[in-house]
Parts: sequence; structure tokens; C-alpha cells
Amino acid sequence: GENVGLHLPTLSVQEGDNSIINCAYSNSASDYFIWYKQESGKGPQFIIDIRSNMDKRQGQRVTVLLNKTVKHLSLQIAATQPGDSAVYFCAENPELNAGGTSYGKLTFGQGTILTVHP
Amino acid sequence: DAGVTQSPTHLIKTRGQHVTLRCSPISGHKSVSWYQQVLGQGPQFIFQYYEKEERGRGNFPDRFSARQFPNYSSELNVNALLLGDSALYLCASSLIQVSYEQYFGPGTRLTVT
Repeated sequence: GENVGLHLPTLSVQEGDNSIINCAYSNSASDYFIWYKQESGKGPQFIIDIRSNMDKRQGQRVTVLLNKTVKHLSLQIAATQPGDSAVYFCAENPELNAGGTSYGKLTFGQGTILTVHP
Repeated sequence: DAGVTQSPTHLIKTRGQHVTLRCSPISGHKSVSWYQQVLGQGPQFIFQYYEKEERGRGNFPDRFSARQFPNYSSELNVNALLLGDSALYLCASSLIQVSYEQYFGPGTRLTVT
């Protein structure tokens, strides 16, 4: 079935470096993509989102890029800090089906573990 | 404002037992979704409830059920527990039914022995 996955399960960077976390998706009908950060013992925390009619969206220290041609999503974190260490998930919310039915289902990828060394 | 709250935080049950997990959404949010997160994997969608009605169901057996109350809080029930039900159960709330911005609670860690 359709799924969202990640290229790299782990990423280790030095404090101050820029981090790039990648995600591949297979559902071409997906309309919306979200990046979540999950720290140990906590629930996922919303970071940034992007709609399928956009290529790039910027937030505070984070940028999400969407390449629909190759079905690829990336999260860029500028000046990575130790507090950024966490598991990062991409998630998609598929478009309304032919019957017009939709609901708040998110399909998550496996996750990438980001470790930031001081 | 308080975020999404879940109770209990941890729970240990024996195979065959049943369990009830509870969730209170962010004030004003009318949609609650439940997810199961097995260790090392991303969350998997179980249910969505909006205005006290089930609006979506994931690929989970009938042992899993849920309901939403008039105050928009929700319960997830799992019967005849299996070892494989051990996971972190997450609740997420959103303002409306089709809202892409969902806010997650801290989860309930269920261990089945």
C-alpha cells in the first residue's frame, strides 16, 4: 500500500551545523505534508507543514522542501542545537477521495534519529 | 492553556485483559484521533472522532474501539489484550474534522505481559 518512508534512519551532526532530514513518499495523491519532532517520552510536536501546491516553506530555523516530481520531502534545520536532538517524522494527509470523504488521518514515516553533538 | 492530556501515563496489563485509555483535547478542539506507536516506528492511525461520531478507522481489529463524549474527551478501549498491543498510545486533537495541524498528547505507555 501507499506509505511514507525515510532515506536515513540516523543523522549525527555537530552543534551549529545545518541538518537535512529526508523523506520519500509514494502516495501521489497526498495533498499535505507535515514534519513532527518527537523527544524521548513525549508525543510528536508539530514543526512545519507544506501543501502540495508549494515547493518551499520556511519557519524559524527550519525549511521544508517538497519535490513532487520525485516524491521527496526534506526538512532543513539551520544552526542545529543540542535541543534539536530527537526523532523526526514526516507525515502525509492524503487528498479527499472520490466520494469527498476525508478525515484527520496522518500517515507517518519510520522516523530519523537526529543527534546533535556539542 | 493546557495541551492534550492523557491518562494514565503508564499501564501494565496481562494478556486477555482489557484496557481503557483516556484523552482530553485542547479546549475548543472538537476532533480527537488515536494512534498506536510501536517502539522504533512511526505512529499508526487507529481512529478519528469528530462531534462524537467515528469519522475514520485504521487497519486495526475489532478489539479496538473508542468513543467521544459531549465534552469532546475520548476513550480508547482495547479488549483481549495481546503481547503485540504493547505500545505508546497517542491522542491528537484538532480544531475541526479535516485539520492538518494536529496536536499530540504525551501518550500512554501500555505494556502487556
